Formats: sequence, C-alpha cells, structure tokens
Amino acid sequence: EAGVAQSPRYKIIEKRQSVAFWCNPISGHATLYWYQQILGQGPKLLIQFQNNGVVDDSQLPKDRFSAERLKGVDSTLKIQPAKLEDSAVYLCASSLVPWNTEAFFGQGTRLTVV
Amino acid sequence: AQSVTQPDIHITVSEGASLELRCNYSYGATPYLFWYVQSPGQGLQLLLKYFSGDTLVQGIKGFEAEFKRSQSSFNLRKPSVHWSDAAEYFCAVGPQSNTGNQFYFGTGTSLTVIP
Repeated sequence: EAGVAQSPRYKIIEKRQSVAFWCNPISGHATLYWYQQILGQGPKLLIQFQNNGVVDDSQLPKDRFSAERLKGVDSTLKIQPAKLEDSAVYLCASSLVPWNTEAFFGQGTRLTVV
Repeated sequence: AQSVTQPDIHITVSEGASLELRCNYSYGATPYLFWYVQSPGQGLQLLLKYFSGDTLVQGIKGFEAEFKRSQSSFNLRKPSVHWSDAAEYFCAVGPQSNTGNQFYFGTGTSLTVIP
C-alpha cells in the first residue's frame, strides 16, 4: 500500500514570499490532516478535511494560510506571505475516518523562511 | 481541555538497557491512545495504539505500552533498547467518536542510545 506522499521535501524562501505544499493521501482515506511541527515541539493540527469539506481549521492562521482539498483527494497548503516563525516541518496525514483509527503520516516538508 | 504531557524532554540509555517513556493525558473521556516514533527527516510512524480491552498493548519493534486509567498514563516500554531506537517519540490521544476530531500530540521525548 502506498503511503502518504508530500512534496517538496525541502523549501527555502524569503519572508513575505509565498509557498505551497502538496499532499496525496493514502487511497480511500477520507480524512486528511495538515500539521505544523516547529523544531522541538509536537505536531500541531492546522486543518482537518473530511472528504473535501473542512472539519476543523481553528488553529489555522487564516490571514496567511489557506488549504484546499478539491475532489476530496489531493490537498494543497499555501502560505502567503510567509513569516520567519513559519519555519517548520509541515506534515500531512490521512486516516480512513477521523476517529478510532490511526493516522498515517507523510515524510513532511521542511520549510525555512529567511 | 485535552492535553498530552511527556515529562521527559530527553532520555539517554545504554544499548541493551530497558526503557520507559512517560505519557500523561487529560481528556474528557477514555481516549484512543497512540505512540508514534519519528526518525530524523522522517514522518511519524505508529508504534502501537490502545482503543479498548487489554490495557497492555504490544507494538512493533518490541515496544509495549500500558494504559492506566487511574493514573491517566500510557507509558511506553522496551525491555532492551537497540541503537536503531534512537529517535523522537510522541504520545498522542485521539477521539473515540466523531464529536471530537483532533489528535493531540505531546511535545515528544528524544531518545539517545549510547553503545
């Protein structure tokens, strides 16, 4: 079974630039998560999709972050404009359903904002 | 409020020694509990999970964890650590129903294994 795919693996941008990350979840997984993991911290949920609808985006900085999951499969996370504090690893995960099951994680995208 | 606490930021053990990583949680009801491992530059890999039933659960790579409701704990153990176990370990809680959808992660425990 193919895992969660993310690209790019690494990205370096200057502050105030924009950046986009892509995620392809495991086939058949209805739930997709985007997490932000700052160095030395645990992952923090940014947004959760159930199919193509948003379930939880309470911790997404909506003035600069946006995410979509068109057709309920692939997802993109965008930051515009980026700030220095956005430097982190952005993890995508998917699960069959949002409860009583595990989430499978991609390798993440390491973003450095300079 | 839901939360997960991993009291130990960093632990160093000798190869072959036993290991216990602590995890305490605060949740409205009995949650689903998970331990994930993250090697450098990698995503999170599930080690084991507890949903219900036997409170001692076995996972991959020789790890086990015990759910103790009275202590709100879900500590991870391994009887003999291997050098390849050096990584970051995260405890997480998840919802039992669709009324609460978040996974909450602890801040992680970094494990160093010395020869």
